[in-house]
Amino acid sequence: QVQLQESGPGLVKPSETLSLTCTVSGGSISSDYWSWIRQSPGKGLEWIGYIYYSGSTNYNPSLKSRVTISLVTSTNQFSLRLKSVTAADTAVYFCARQDWTHGVDTWGPGALITVSS
Amino acid sequence: QSVLTQPPSVSAAPGQKVTISCTGSSSNLGAGYDVYWYQQFPETAPKLLIYSNSNRPSGVPDRFSGSKSGTSASLAITGLQAEDEADYYCQSYDSGLGGASWVFGGGTKVTVL
Repeated sequence: QVQLQESGPGLVKPSETLSLTCTVSGGSISSDYWSWIRQSPGKGLEWIGYIYYSGSTNYNPSLKSRVTISLVTSTNQFSLRLKSVTAADTAVYFCARQDWTHGVDTWGPGALITVSS
Repeated sequence: QSVLTQPPSVSAAPGQKVTISCTGSSSNLGAGYDVYWYQQFPETAPKLLIYSNSNRPSGVPDRFSGSKSGTSASLAITGLQAEDEADYYCQSYDSGLGGASWVFGGGTKVTVL
């Protein structure tokens, strides 16, 4: 059974770049879509984007100019980079597996990222 | 303002039925894209509840059911139980002019009275 785990700094300064890594265990990253989703405190879910195992990506238009999602197949990981962060980017960030039939069927536990000086 | 509209909250007594609506448009549900439903308890990751409009993953009780028609979808919970008190989100794909993307509804809090 596939399991996901987010990792990265919990605190990022305004204007800097948020970087998170998701480690995939129990399965290969060389299939499916690998997503990032976030949830601001007390708010709903926001889809950030995903990368297909082939390397193609799709991003939320509202974040597209600041987001990069990449695969690291050698370590069975994928990553999120969000540049020029502000306090509005403070959220729990979830990595997830997604496909067109089953939706988001596997989630990581989430990582709280706070943007503050 | 979410592309998919859900009521902020619904409530009912144990054993009753609740229905959560998810209203979209011609660029998402009305375009034929499927709807997915998730259940989330506080401080935990969401869990897939319904996929491809009306299918339940293994382990999801059959008191949860989903349907879709035109630009709307709904999640029904029959025989409501205290453990069903949670937030519920719908999700679909949107091919809007601003750029195609997956989108979530704003979420609905289910309260068991």
